[in-house]
Amino acid sequence: DADVTQTPRNRITKTGKRIMLECSQTKGHDRMYWYRQDPGLGLRLIYYSFDVKDINKGEISDGYSVSRQAQAKFSLSLESAIPNQTALYFCATSDFGGFADTQYFGPGTRLTVL
Amino acid sequence: AQSVTQLDSHVSVSEGTPVLLRCNYSSSYSPSLFWYVQHPNKGLQLLLKYTSAATLVKGINGFEAEFKKSETSFHLTKPSAHMSDAAEYFCVVSESGSGYSTLTFGKGTMLLVSP
Repeated sequence: DADVTQTPRNRITKTGKRIMLECSQTKGHDRMYWYRQDPGLGLRLIYYSFDVKDINKGEISDGYSVSRQAQAKFSLSLESAIPNQTALYFCATSDFGGFADTQYFGPGTRLTVL
Repeated sequence: AQSVTQLDSHVSVSEGTPVLLRCNYSSSYSPSLFWYVQHPNKGLQLLLKYTSAATLVKGINGFEAEFKKSETSFHLTKPSAHMSDAAEYFCVVSESGSGYSTLTFGKGTMLLVSP
């Protein structure tokens, strides 16, 4: 079984709808991250969490919110989806969060907002 | 602030020929540097990372990269390309800050391998 799982894998929704993307991990890591990937732009950090009580905004947090329900679960919400939030979303985890630490990525969720 | 520039958006090679994917970085501190690979419809997989130890880093699937501080470069190479190497490659920089790290990704280089 994969160490980092994301659900759903694909989602099509309409403008204005509330959407939640979920991430679960079995690696036992404290740190979790949400990124979005747009063609030609690489990955950009949306939010990150060091533990259940510590959540931080990343580079592009506007229009998004997150919830860290447990060490193993980190959800990303789009309160009112808009078309320019159409992207590939990745969850990642890391152990210590130090600058040399490796982040492990889930398979991604492809979100389309019509 | 840290940044990464991948110098080529696309690189095309023939199977069996060498691969060179170029990456330059900017960092205020001694950085860690990573190369990740993304195969179609897959997540990102770590190829290799540099963490201030040996400047020549060997990774999986025959890839290696050399950290050159004087040139602020971290180019990825492979002596002989295989069809399965066709994917998108991301150069990533991380630097320490208040006990945590965030990654800054390059925009990616698509590697195309022809028979």
